[in-house]
Amino acid sequence: EAQVTQNPRYLITVTGKKLTVTCSQNMNHEYMSWYRQDPGLGLRQIYYSMNVEVTDKGDVPEGYKVSRKEKRNFPLILESPSPNQTSLYFCASSSTGTPYEQYFGPGTRLTVT
Amino acid sequence: AQSVTQLDSHVSVSEGTPVLLRCNYSSSYSPSLFWYVQHPNKGLQLLLKYTSAATLVKGINGFEAEFKKSETSFHLTKPSAHMSDAAEYFCVVTFTGTASKLTFGTGTRLQVTL
Repeated sequence: EAQVTQNPRYLITVTGKKLTVTCSQNMNHEYMSWYRQDPGLGLRQIYYSMNVEVTDKGDVPEGYKVSRKEKRNFPLILESPSPNQTSLYFCASSSTGTPYEQYFGPGTRLTVT
Repeated sequence: AQSVTQLDSHVSVSEGTPVLLRCNYSSSYSPSLFWYVQHPNKGLQLLLKYTSAATLVKGINGFEAEFKKSETSFHLTKPSAHMSDAAEYFCVVTFTGTASKLTFGTGTRLQVTL
């Protein structure tokens, strides 16, 4: 089954404790992206990657890191989480040919206290 | 620059009546437009897409949308609402010719009452 998986689905952590949210896709997609969803703001792009070893900032990259060492994986790293990073996070992937529709993972709900 | 405006944050309809969710976009280039649906505690699912082919686009679950360039609109409609349509709907724009940047609207929550 074609899918995007994220782990963990739920995470409660404390300020400053480094964490990683994993994302994996099995569709051989070149493009992967991370979003955060906050009430009233829709989804905002954090980082994206057009292919292995190619990453770029989205609209809200501050406080986040990513890496793309393999085509299927695109982990999101919070080196020193803060409470304003409490949010619902989605990973997505797509091919780079048209029509650019993105397939979304189930989401990771992160709470930073 | 590109942007998308969903004109209603919340829409309430009765079961069996038509649904209209409004979306206007701004794009310097030919846009690709999408509608996604998010059911409670679920991820996002693609409803339909416009990518410069037919201007009236049909999607899943009886939804459709019409691309109107003169009005820069891409409104989502359904003739008859069902209780299972209650969800949040996002209008999304990107430039045709690039996969790098999707811009999401802030969402419209659809409530369906008996």
